[in-house]
Amino acid sequence: GAGVSQSPRYKVAKRGQDVALRCDPISGHVSLFWYQQALGQGPEFLTYFQNEAQLDKSGLPSDRFFAERPEGSVSTLKIQRTQQEDSAVYLCASSPTRDRVFVNTEAFFGQGTRLTVV
Amino acid sequence: AQSVTQLDSHVSVSEGTPVLLRCNYSSSYSPSLFWYVQHPNKGLQLLLKYTSAATLVKGINGFEAEFKKSETSFHLTKPSAHMSDAAEYFCVVIPMDSSYKLIFGSGTRLLVRP
Repeated sequence: GAGVSQSPRYKVAKRGQDVALRCDPISGHVSLFWYQQALGQGPEFLTYFQNEAQLDKSGLPSDRFFAERPEGSVSTLKIQRTQQEDSAVYLCASSPTRDRVFVNTEAFFGQGTRLTVV
Repeated sequence: AQSVTQLDSHVSVSEGTPVLLRCNYSSSYSPSLFWYVQHPNKGLQLLLKYTSAATLVKGINGFEAEFKKSETSFHLTKPSAHMSDAAEYFCVVIPMDSSYKLIFGSGTRLLVRP
C-alpha cells in the first residue's frame, strides 16, 4: 500500500478482554514504532523494532502489553486483560532507515487504532 | 531530561491572518526539534525539523519555525492561515540518549475562523 495501514480503526473491548492491533508498515521499511496517544495528550513511545528485533520496549506500560514483528514486516500489539486506562489511540510508524531514524529521514505514521475499553 | 512545552492548548485565528504556535524546549544540548500536524482521521505528518543546520527552518504548506537557543524556543509560524490548517499541532524533541524515541508536547489545537 501507499502508507502505513493499521487495523482495526476502532475497537471496543470489555474490561478484561484481550485485544490485538495490527500494523502494516510501508513495504521494505526497516524500523517500526508503536506509540500510545491518550485523549488530549501527545503520543508516547511504546516500543521499537528494527526488522524482527525488538530493540526497545521500555515504553510498554505493563506486562499486559506485548508487541511482535516475527517476519520483520507486519507488527501486532497485543494487550491482555484490558483495563479502562488502556483506552487510547495506538499509533504505528515506519521508516526506511535504521540509524538516526527521525533525523536522517522521515518516519510515516498510520491513522491509528482507537481502543475504547468499557 | 529533554522535554517540550507547548504554551497554548488552543489557538484561534481568522482565515488570512498570521499563525503563531509556541513551543519551548528543555535540553542541556542542542536538540533535534520537529513540528508534526495531526488532522482528524489522518496520520501524524511531519511539517518541518531542525537538526543543527540553519536556525530558520521552512516546512510544508507555508509553515516555518525558528530555533532560538537564547530563548530555548522553537515557535511555529505561518503568514496567512487557511481553513485547511485547522488541526492539532505537536512540538517534538528527540532525547540525547535515543536517536529514535520522539518526545511529544501536549499539542495545540488550531482553529481557523472564516
